Amino acid sequence: QSVLTQPPSASGTPGQRVTISCSGSNSNIGSNYVYWYQHLPKTAPKLLIYRNNRRPSGVPDRFSGSKSGTSASLANSGLRSEDEADYYCATWDDSLSAWVFGGGTKLTVL
Amino acid sequence: EVQLLESGGGLVKPGGSLRLSCAASGFTFSNAWMTWVRQAPGQGLEWVGRVKSKNDGETTDYAAPVKGRFTISRDDSKYTTYLQMNSLRKEDTAVYYCTTDPPGIAETYDSNGYLVVEAFDVWGQGTVVTVSS
Repeated sequence: QSVLTQPPSASGTPGQRVTISCSGSNSNIGSNYVYWYQHLPKTAPKLLIYRNNRRPSGVPDRFSGSKSGTSASLANSGLRSEDEADYYCATWDDSLSAWVFGGGTKLTVL
Repeated sequence: EVQLLESGGGLVKPGGSLRLSCAASGFTFSNAWMTWVRQAPGQGLEWVGRVKSKNDGETTDYAAPVKGRFTISRDDSKYTTYLQMNSLRKEDTAVYYCTTDPPGIAETYDSNGYLVVEAFDVWGQGTVVTVSS
């Protein structure tokens, strides 16, 4: 059972907007930055969003992040077939003194 | 070019030991906090632990499942971080990734002493550890 809760799956058609949620608590999301990663099998994770809503150069601007209270979300404003992957949120947990990841959301492009 | 190159993975019996190495290049290693993340078969990403920079005391933090069995260290003269794994269990079977802290981001201090991002997507290629009899 992950400290951060994500839906196990999400889906959409090409061009559709999809949002993935990440729910935590005051000791993690409520007091620290949230990071989002895209992970494809047999590859290293790729950073999509850092410090809640900042996007590294090279990440398409269809990806955006937001945070409110103890929840965060990752939005994809125009799904593409190459976006089919697993997505993880992560943050530091002050109570556990540990980084915590969400359980991951498998995104399917229909 | 930023690079993390892991080595040392393999097959080990339950109760055995293994040491993973991660050689870094392309960013200011001495300022970076280094982290290990793993993914067990069919499971999600799991943080293993980290070692802070020498300037920040070179202290370590570990996830509960590995505390007391795993040790993370660093040798700045070799731009390398290590993960010593003892008393290995079947549930430690995973792909182990070396990365920075925050995961995937190399941060350093600019000339004014401000923390700035030096590089993104700082991850190793992953090394497979299999614990099986």
